[in-house]
Amino acid sequence: EDQVTQSPEALRLQEGESSSLNCSYTVSGLRGLFWYRQDPGKGPEFLFTLYSAGEEKEKERLKATLTKKESFLHITAPKPEDSATYLCAVQVSSNTGKLIFGQGTTLQVKP
Amino acid sequence: EAGVAQSPRYKIIEKRQSVAFWCNPISGHATLYWYQQILGQGPKLLIQFQNNGVVDDSQLPKDRFSAERLKGVDSTLKIQPAKLEDSAVYLCASSSPGAVAYEQYFGPGTRLTVT
Repeated sequence: EDQVTQSPEALRLQEGESSSLNCSYTVSGLRGLFWYRQDPGKGPEFLFTLYSAGEEKEKERLKATLTKKESFLHITAPKPEDSATYLCAVQVSSNTGKLIFGQGTTLQVKP
Repeated sequence: EAGVAQSPRYKIIEKRQSVAFWCNPISGHATLYWYQQILGQGPKLLIQFQNNGVVDDSQLPKDRFSAERLKGVDSTLKIQPAKLEDSAVYLCASSSPGAVAYEQYFGPGTRLTVT
């Protein structure tokens, strides 16, 4: 069964304190791995797509990396406005394009 | 470019009542998805449309949930009758097939509370 697990469930950081969020997956064949940001009361906002092991993508203070079994979202020198829930999802080669989501990591950055 | 639109944003109903949600996808996006997000969990796909046709509805509780996409654009999701466990945020997303993976863009969601 295709499965996505994110850790930790919650993370509290001080402003400027870098850290990483983990997304581990077991799938029959990976078409793509997606990272989304979700603010309270809003829909998920697309951040990155990673397609193959070794790939990296960056956007401002965020950097996403991918291996054959997991992905990391590195947050460098976070600011309070980075506080949100970060969702990881996979798209499986054999299916029709639906996303299988992890449960999310809720990040709180304190000033 | 306008994003995915959904309405209403909030709805409170009593159990056994019916409710309907509306979604207008990004212009030109042929694929439309409805997801259910229960508090503290990631979204779970309910149904996927490609133009007018249903591609995947394997996780849709068909005894109470129904969805349609008329003319390949707007879509409605209906629950009848609602149960307490249907309390969740209902998210609509759309995508246009890319070279490798289908990036999906989400609307703001409809928060449903069943009392």
